[in-house]
Amino acid sequence: EAQVTQNPRYLITVTGKKLTVTCSQNMNHEYMSWYRQDPGLGLRQIYYSMNVEVTDKGDVPEGYKVSRKEKRNFPLILESPSPNQTSLYFCASMELGTDTQYFGPGTRLTVL
Amino acid sequence: KQEVTQIPAALSVPEGENLVLNCSFTDSAIYNLQWFRQDPGKGLTSLLLIQSSQREQTSGRLNASLDKSSGRSTLYIAASQPGDSATYLCADSGTYKYIFGTGTRLKVLA
Repeated sequence: EAQVTQNPRYLITVTGKKLTVTCSQNMNHEYMSWYRQDPGLGLRQIYYSMNVEVTDKGDVPEGYKVSRKEKRNFPLILESPSPNQTSLYFCASMELGTDTQYFGPGTRLTVL
Repeated sequence: KQEVTQIPAALSVPEGENLVLNCSFTDSAIYNLQWFRQDPGKGLTSLLLIQSSQREQTSGRLNASLDKSSGRSTLYIAASQPGDSATYLCADSGTYKYIFGTGTRLKVLA
């Protein structure tokens, strides 16, 4: 089954404790992207990647890092999480040229 | 910097009604305008994409239009059904950077 998976689905952590949210897709898509969704602010793009070793900033990249060492994986790294990074995070992938993104189920992160 | 706005934030209609959802954007140099649906607790599903050279796209009971000169897009849903209840988001999907609106939460009452 074609899908985008994210782990963990729920995470409660404390300020400053490094964490990684994994994202994996099995559709051999070149493009992958991370978003955060907050009430009243909608969905905002954090980082995206056009292919292995190619990443670029979205609208709200501050406080986040990403890497794309393999085509199927695109982890989101929070080196020193802060409470304002409490949010619902979505990963998505897309075959370039199709304009159809496939979204993961979301990761709800709470930073205390 | 592009800003995308959706008003109203929430809408309730009786089943069977035709309805229009609105999306406004500040930069008319839009690349593509895309409409998505989000069910509670789930990711987004792409509904319709209008390329900048197009005026509208249709899929079943859905019709999306784009007017770049006025900075507006509309999503028309015909004969609404309770299964249409969801949050609808529009996005400027230009050159792989996506700017989303805040969404309209639609509830269709049976």
